[in-house]
Amino acid sequence: EAGVAQSPRYKIIEKRQSVAFWCNPISGHATLYWYQQILGQGPKLLIQFQNNGVVDDSQLPKDRFSAERLKGVDSTLKIQPAKLEDSAVYLCASSLGQGVRETQYFGPGTRLLVL
Amino acid sequence: KQEVTQIPAALSVPEGENLVLNCSFTDSAIYNLQWFRQDPGKGLTSLLLIQSSQREQTSGRLNASLDKSSGRSTLYIAASQPGDSATYLCAVPLGGSEKLVFGKGTKLTVNP
Repeated sequence: EAGVAQSPRYKIIEKRQSVAFWCNPISGHATLYWYQQILGQGPKLLIQFQNNGVVDDSQLPKDRFSAERLKGVDSTLKIQPAKLEDSAVYLCASSLGQGVRETQYFGPGTRLLVL
Repeated sequence: KQEVTQIPAALSVPEGENLVLNCSFTDSAIYNLQWFRQDPGKGLTSLLLIQSSQREQTSGRLNASLDKSSGRSTLYIAASQPGDSATYLCAVPLGGSEKLVFGKGTKLTVNP
C-alpha cells in the first residue's frame, strides 16, 4: 500500500514570495490533515479536511495561508506571502475516517526555508 | 487546554542499554495516547497507541504505559540499538476530536 506522498521535499524562498505544497493521501482515506512543525517543536495542526470539506482550520493563519482539497483526494497548501517564521516542516497526514480512534498516517513532509 | 510535555529533550545512551522516555499531559480526560517516531527528513511513524482503558501496550522491544490519573505515559525501550536513534513524540487527542496535541519530542541517540 502506497503511503502519503508529498512534494516538493524541500523548498527555499525569500520572504514575501509565495509557495505551494502538494499532498496525495493514501487511497480511500477520507480525512486529510496539514501540520506545521517548527524546528524543536511538535507538529501543530493547521487544517483538517473530511473529503473536500473543512472540519477544523482554527489554527490556520488565514491572512496568508490557504488550503484546498478539490475532489476530496489531493490537497494543496499555499502560503502567500511567506514570512521568516513560516520556516518549518509541513506534514500531511491522512486517515481512513473521522474519529479519535482513527490512525493518522504521515507523509515525509516538505521542509520550507524562508530567507 | 491540553499541554503535552516530554522529558528529557535529548538523551544519549550506549548500545544495549534499557531506557525510558517520559510524557506528561495536563488534561487526564484523554481517549488514547500515541507514541511516534520521527527520523531526520522523514515523517512520523506510529509506534504504539494506548487506549484510555489500557495500562500498557507492547511491540517488540517497546513497551508503553499509561497512567491517566497522574497524566503520565512512559515509553520503555529494551536493549537499545543504534537504529533506535530518532526523535520520539507522544500525542493525545484534544477532547473527543482527532486533533492531536504533540509534545516537543525526545531526541534519542544510541551510540555503538
